[in-house]
Amino acid sequence: ETGVTQSPTHLIKTRGQQVTLRCSSQSGHNTVSWYQQALGQGPQFIFQYYREEENGRGNFPPRFSGLQFPNYSSELNVNALELDDSALYLCASSIPGRHTQYFGPGTRLTVL
Amino acid sequence: KNEVEQSPQNLTAQEGEFITINCSYSVGISALHWLQQHPGGGIVSLFMLSSGKKKHGRLIATINIQEKHSSLHITASHPRDSAVYICAVLSNFGNEKLTFGTGTRLTIIP
Repeated sequence: ETGVTQSPTHLIKTRGQQVTLRCSSQSGHNTVSWYQQALGQGPQFIFQYYREEENGRGNFPPRFSGLQFPNYSSELNVNALELDDSALYLCASSIPGRHTQYFGPGTRLTVL
Repeated sequence: KNEVEQSPQNLTAQEGEFITINCSYSVGISALHWLQQHPGGGIVSLFMLSSGKKKHGRLIATINIQEKHSSLHITASHPRDSAVYICAVLSNFGNEKLTFGTGTRLTIIP
């Protein structure tokens, strides 16, 4: 148990729709990172939030956006879904400087 | 070329065999993680290394900073060790984001 939860566990959407994925971090973990893992691939960094501000972004288009809240929860929003957005989405929380990241179980998104 | 390369991509072994998974990286790092991912997707952190060697049960992880190389070893492998093992590095500048290898799929046959 990492203390990081994600919801929903599975989700099916159609192309063009919008989706919101949620992550709840451990108390005190004010850094959260989101990753996309396509089938058979390693996770790819989407972005990171620290104290409710974006703190770095990977090579993902602006239709991927996020929010972090004071209660250590966060959201990943994806607009105008494309088939290639089908993947496992992982969030990971950490305390800056501690290096260890605690992963949630992931949300598996399928876009039809 | 990926910043983090793992080998082999797939590994099948008999129960009891000694397993080695390798990871090479090309960037400066502050730490390297070995992660385990079971079917269904959940990721568990096995080790975090910045130098030397760590041991936990039947698992051993080593890192050579000068050669930018790390290995994960499993002694007396067991079918429950079957999983995908992922190497990920934390860069030593900017935000603390992980860059992942593509993983090694390990299957241990009884």
